[in-house]
Amino acid sequence: DVKVTQSSRYLVKRTGEKVFLECVQDMDHENMFWYRQDPGLGLRLIYFSYDVKMKEKGDIPEGYSVSREKKERFSLILESASTNQTSMYLCASSPGPGLDEKLFFGSGTQLSVL
Amino acid sequence: AQTVTQSQPEMSVQEAETVTLSCTYDTSESDYYLFWYKQPPSRQMILVIRQEAYKQQNATENRFSVNFQKAAKSFSLKISDSQLGDAAMYFCAYRSRTGGGADGLTFGKGTHLIIQP
Repeated sequence: DVKVTQSSRYLVKRTGEKVFLECVQDMDHENMFWYRQDPGLGLRLIYFSYDVKMKEKGDIPEGYSVSREKKERFSLILESASTNQTSMYLCASSPGPGLDEKLFFGSGTQLSVL
Repeated sequence: AQTVTQSQPEMSVQEAETVTLSCTYDTSESDYYLFWYKQPPSRQMILVIRQEAYKQQNATENRFSVNFQKAAKSFSLKISDSQLGDAAMYFCAYRSRTGGGADGLTFGKGTHLIIQP
């Protein structure tokens, strides 16, 4: 089974801190994604990556950046955390073109910014 | 840009009864995928069922089936013989067939399903 692992289940940070959320997948997937989940808003795409060192902005990239130095790892960075970034963050991955079209998800990181 | 709309923020059903969750979407494409994902309190997103737009036959997975109406851009999920373990958030999602899926899925806002014992 594909495994997508997010390094923290719960995280508490202070306003202004630099925050790293880590995600690792073990199935050699080409595509990786970071979503943000808020009540009543569903899942919204922050950034995605279709290859090592490649990244594309999703629907809500402001205040975030990403890094993909290795194929299996996709990091989400909050340069200066703010209270409005308190949310659930979900990482996902999928194979390349012509392969399984579904997303495989991690179990999420609940981030609280105080 | 594609949009996915789930008009029911919350639904409640008696155990063993049948419930239908609604989903509509907007797209100018003709070839795409549609999904229903389930998110229980554990937060793990679980794929319930998927439908390929070029297939006219509605997808079925055990107690879960869809009513896919391509012209109406509607994709509802029917859960038969509801069980307590079905209680969860359900998300409808869309994916274009072009681009190899590199740009991910577009999700609706979710429907919270409550199962009454």
